[in-house]
Amino acid sequence: NAGVTQTPKFQVLKTGQSMTLQCAQDMNHEYMSWYRQDPGMGLRLIHYSVGAGITDQGEVPNGYNVSRSTTEDFPLRLLSAAPSQTSVYFCASSYDKVLKNSPLHFGNGTRLTVT
Amino acid sequence: GDSVTQMEGPVTLSEEAFLTINCTYTATGYPSLFWYVQYPGEGLQLLLKATKADDKGSNKGFEATYRKETTSFHLEKGSVQVSDSAVYFCALSGQFYFGTGTSLTVIP
Repeated sequence: NAGVTQTPKFQVLKTGQSMTLQCAQDMNHEYMSWYRQDPGMGLRLIHYSVGAGITDQGEVPNGYNVSRSTTEDFPLRLLSAAPSQTSVYFCASSYDKVLKNSPLHFGNGTRLTVT
Repeated sequence: GDSVTQMEGPVTLSEEAFLTINCTYTATGYPSLFWYVQYPGEGLQLLLKATKADDKGSNKGFEATYRKETTSFHLEKGSVQVSDSAVYFCALSGQFYFGTGTSLTVIP
């Protein structure tokens, strides 16, 4: 019963490098999303998807790309890492595409440091 | 737009003390309201929810009542334990607008 799985748990990048944060869920959820968590800022939505082939921007999308080729996977790509992207990243999924009553299920996060 | 305002922390309490964490919201329509808890090194997990006005959500001794007249969803627990030490987030349905989180430390 894995739920939402994120890899890696920790990552250190140099400015300008690119990388992909992986997220997979095994609950057949249509909705998936990425958040970043910064001290004093709570969680901020980066990108989200309501199904395979459909993605949209959240509150803070700049510097990040996503794709959704399957229901299970929703990778987050950092194109050219910047120190401002140092954060903890959470992937989440939900059964309910409109997020009215169903809660989000979160992964355990990826702690990213950009030097 | 929609938003959630949450009591700032950190909060430090002695074991068996009473806990209140305030949460107010601004929203159009009739949102559902959620409290999530984040233990150290983990992701957020649902603590409780309420889907309409006057509903009371409860779990693990925590309670929160959806008050439309005061646009509030305050989290309460009558007697906290050391194991309740965590960060608590209030959230609104839709695109899930989250509060900034309130860190709670319970000391023996």
